[in-house]
Amino acid sequence: GAVVSQHPSWVICKSGTSVKIECRSLDFQATTMFWYRQFPKQSLMLMATSNEGSKATYEQGVEKDKFLINHASLTLSTLTVTSAHPEDSSFYICSAWDRGENTIYFGEGSWLTVV
Amino acid sequence: AQTVTQSQPEMSVQEAETVTLSCTYDTSESDYYLFWYKQPPSRQMILVIRQEAYKQQNATENRFSVNFQKAAKSFSLKISDSQLGDAAMYFCAYSRGGTASKLTFGTGTRLQVTL
Repeated sequence: GAVVSQHPSWVICKSGTSVKIECRSLDFQATTMFWYRQFPKQSLMLMATSNEGSKATYEQGVEKDKFLINHASLTLSTLTVTSAHPEDSSFYICSAWDRGENTIYFGEGSWLTVV
Repeated sequence: AQTVTQSQPEMSVQEAETVTLSCTYDTSESDYYLFWYKQPPSRQMILVIRQEAYKQQNATENRFSVNFQKAAKSFSLKISDSQLGDAAMYFCAYSRGGTASKLTFGTGTRLQVTL
């Protein structure tokens, strides 16, 4: 099946710095990607919908200035956590919609630890 | 708003036996999809099975099958001949029909497989 690659898998950053996570669709074009956050032992919470060439749509309660999403090409969406704090430490996972198969594929996820 | 409920936080099954995981959902839409995803300790989200709401026939994928009761808004997953590799978190998910709709997840069921 189609592959979605997420990078980095693990990242540690200092409090107050910014960190970028990339989500790439490797063998299909993704006009829409989704970013989720998962706390330990909890379900996936949708943060935002990333649309190629336009602004992301954020879910209620998600700070758009803190979690910057850019979808500059049909195969790449990025999530930038700005001015990270320890409470932003979490597992972030992206997914991409494959129009040809009308199926959503997930990346491998990224562990963010803010120290 | 759509909601997905998984009432079994944990389930256990013996190897080679059959187990059923429950899921109910609430929606006012007539066109939608339902999914079961498996999340092993690696955290990779793996699509197990998908059901289109307009299809009356229950979806099957090898040892995995669903019991889709549209009127009752129920979507259970049956795993036959359980294997040790089936141990994971299982999430039921819903998406509206049409294109590139976001997924709404249930809280998950942790499945243990014992010898």
